[in-house]
This record gives sequence, structure tokens and C-alpha cells, in this order.
Amino acid sequence: DQQVKQNSPSLSVQEGRISILNCDYTNSMFDYFLWYKKYPAEGPTFLISISSIKDKNEDGRFTVFLNKSAKHLSLHIVPSQPGDSAVYFCAARGRTYNTDKLIFGTGTRLQVFP
Amino acid sequence: KAGVTQTPRYLIKTRGQQVTLSCSPISGHRSVSWYQQTPGQGLQFLFEYFSETQRNKGNFPGRFSGRQFSNSRSEMNVSTLELGDSALYLCASSFDSTRIETQYFGPGTRLLVL
Repeated sequence: DQQVKQNSPSLSVQEGRISILNCDYTNSMFDYFLWYKKYPAEGPTFLISISSIKDKNEDGRFTVFLNKSAKHLSLHIVPSQPGDSAVYFCAARGRTYNTDKLIFGTGTRLQVFP
Repeated sequence: KAGVTQTPRYLIKTRGQQVTLSCSPISGHRSVSWYQQTPGQGLQFLFEYFSETQRNKGNFPGRFSGRQFSNSRSEMNVSTLELGDSALYLCASSFDSTRIETQYFGPGTRLLVL
């Protein structure tokens, strides 16, 4: 049972435009959400996070939105750059403290073209 | 500061064999988690160790096991390999779990089972 879902396996966006990556979850016990970026032959790197008590978090070109009623979060990248081309994973953590365990989605491959 | 290192980076085994993968966390980090990444499944949590104790375990069969040493280095072992075990195995380390954004991933070990 996939508790965190990324229904779009790939996304192609022109440089300078907005990239919107989506993620849905089923478990209402998740209290913290993160986005990771992964290049080939490298491990995922943390990008941005949001607590369930917030509905938006912004860091430079990256903004994450959380809609708890819809159990949906999205990552906006504005403006998109070719270096943003990578696989993006959303991840969630349950209300269990003292753990690093994360539930990941299946990933969305973003391609930013000139 | 050196990052998380994983050895070997690539491995080819045949069905029925067993394999041991190694993870050296960032210096000072006490928590090590392991994930399996396969196409279409995203990253799936295997287990988590903190100060030599298994703190959390995912839904994998008993063929998958792990341990952590006093220097925080961790190993995972897969016995009686199956074709479906072919995957990228990632480990991640953190100092503790109070700020999960500070969990860093290694580059992974790519295992191919023939």
C-alpha cells in the first residue's frame, strides 16, 4: 500500500517557467513532509520541508504547499533552470519521534529544457 | 567533512548467494538508515540503527538484516538473493532525529542479481 504517491513519473518544463511537482498521501498521521532531489549516481539531497502545522514554506526558488484536507502537497520551482533536471521525491514522517524513518513517493523525473 | 560513504558501489551476484553492504556515516553521526530503491517503488525503508540498536524496521523479509558497530558504521546483509533484490541500496546518516533535514544520504550500492 503506497502511502505517499507521486502520480506523474515525469515532467518537462521550459527554462524560466514554473515547475509544479505533486504528491498525495493517505496517512493522516504524517506530520512532516520533505522534498528530496536526486541526480544519477548520487544519493538524494534534502531540498525543502514543511510541518503539518503550516501550509506553505518558501526557500529561494522553491516553495512547498501543503493542503491537509486534500492530503496533498506540491513543490513549485520558479524560475526553472536546466540544473534543476533531476528526480524529485516527496517523503513523509509519521508522528513518531526519535526516528529518521521516512515514507517516500516513487519520484517524478523533471526535465528543464532551454 | 567527508560525506556518507558506501562500499562497494556496484555488485553483481547470482541467485542464492548472500551479500554484505557497508555504510560509513558522517563523522559524529549516530543514526544510520537503509533504503532500497527500485524502479516504480521509490525508496523503501529497510531499517534504522541508532547507537548499535535497531530502532525501526520496514516490511522486508528476514533475509534482510543489518547491524551497527560502535563506531556507527553499519552493514546490511541479504541472504539467499532473489532476482527481485536487484536495486540501489542507499544508506543515510544523521546525528539524531531532532532535525530530519540533516539526514544525509550516501551514493548507494547498486546490486544486480543474475
